[in-house]
Order: sequence, then structure tokens, then C-alpha cells
Amino acid sequence: GAVVSQHPSWVICKSGTSVKIECRSLDFQATTMFWYRQFPKQSLMLMATSNEGSKATYEQGVEKDKFLINHASLTLSTLTVTSAHPEDSSFYICSALPVAGGGNEQFFGPGTRLTVL
Amino acid sequence: KQEVTQIPAALSVPEGENLVLNCSFTDSAIYNLQWFRQDPGKGLTSLLLIQSSQREQTSGRLNASLDKSSGRSTLYIAASQPGDSATYLCAVSEGFQKLVFGTGTRLLVSP
Repeated sequence: GAVVSQHPSWVICKSGTSVKIECRSLDFQATTMFWYRQFPKQSLMLMATSNEGSKATYEQGVEKDKFLINHASLTLSTLTVTSAHPEDSSFYICSALPVAGGGNEQFFGPGTRLTVL
Repeated sequence: KQEVTQIPAALSVPEGENLVLNCSFTDSAIYNLQWFRQDPGKGLTSLLLIQSSQREQTSGRLNASLDKSSGRSTLYIAASQPGDSATYLCAVSEGFQKLVFGTGTRLLVSP
């Protein structure tokens, strides 16, 4: 149980285009999902916290108008990188916090590698 | 601001050795600490989660300890195998939900 999927697993796009990444909790509901970014040979950095039915909370230094987050259901959050540029190339990983159980363990997706040409 | 540091940054050992990875954090007010494994180009695999009220957790050849007051955790890997080669990340929960990740330790176990 507690499986999180991401789609696509990798994407290559031209500079200036927008890219949408989906994060789904497959066998549990999650009111809260998180989006992380990982640059090569660096650790994960939290970008934003996504709450179902409300606006996301962004970490300092993360542009909310560039990284649009939508959490429309208890099993799906999407991250849209708008007007992507080469410096946005990174590994994006989501995690989900189950509603049931009352625990505080996050379950992570397999990640999406974004390359902007 | 919580900062998480892992030492060593890289480690290379022959197969069969027991080894210790270290993680330190600056703010002891945490809810839990997790150890993850990340293979190159892949996502995270959760290894062990220690709640703030616990001192250690064990899973197979892995044992993780937590000393919250001193801001330290160690991951002990017994009888290392080439398949253990990966990057190991520790993360502490800041508040109930937010995770702050360490810098990682790249482990290479040679046959």
C-alpha cells in the first residue's frame, strides 16, 4: 500500500513552453501533497505544500506564478512549470501525506525528470 | 532555520564491512526523522522512520538511532553488499509535515 505515482517520468520541452506534472496517490487519500525539486548532485528542496481544495503554500524563493499547483482531489495534485527555461531543468518529486491513520509519514513518487532545451 | 548535514559526503568500502552514516540537525524540535535511499536518477525509497519519542528503529541489516537532544542520528548498515550502493538521505520533519533533507552520503560497496 501507500503508492504514489508521477506522470510523466521524464519530459523534454522547448524553452518557453509549459509542462504539467501529475502526482497521484493510488491506494490512499491525501489532503496534503508536497512538491520537491532536486538539482544534480544536490539534495531535495521543498518547493511548495499542496492542500486539497485550497491554495498551495510556497517556500521562500519559489515563484508561485511560475510553478502553478492544483490539488483538485484527494488523490491528485499537479505542478505546471510555466514558460519553462533551461534553468528549470531538474528532477521534480512529489510526496503525499495519507488522511487515514493519523501518522506523519510522507510517501514519495518516483520523480519526473524535466529537461528544457 | 533547520539545517541538516550528513557526513561523510561519500564513502567507498569493500563488501562485507559494517558502516555508519551520520546525520546532524540544528533544531532539535522535530517530529520524526527518516532515512531514505536514492538510486541514480530514481526516486526515494524509505528505509526507516524514527518518531521523536523513539531512540532507534531496525529493519534487517539496517539500524537507525536518534539522539534528539544532541541533534544527531546514525544509520548503521551491517555486512554491506554491492546492492547497498546508492545515495542515502536523512530528513527531519519540521513542524508536523514539512521535511528538510540532508546533503546525502554517496555509498559505493565494492565486490
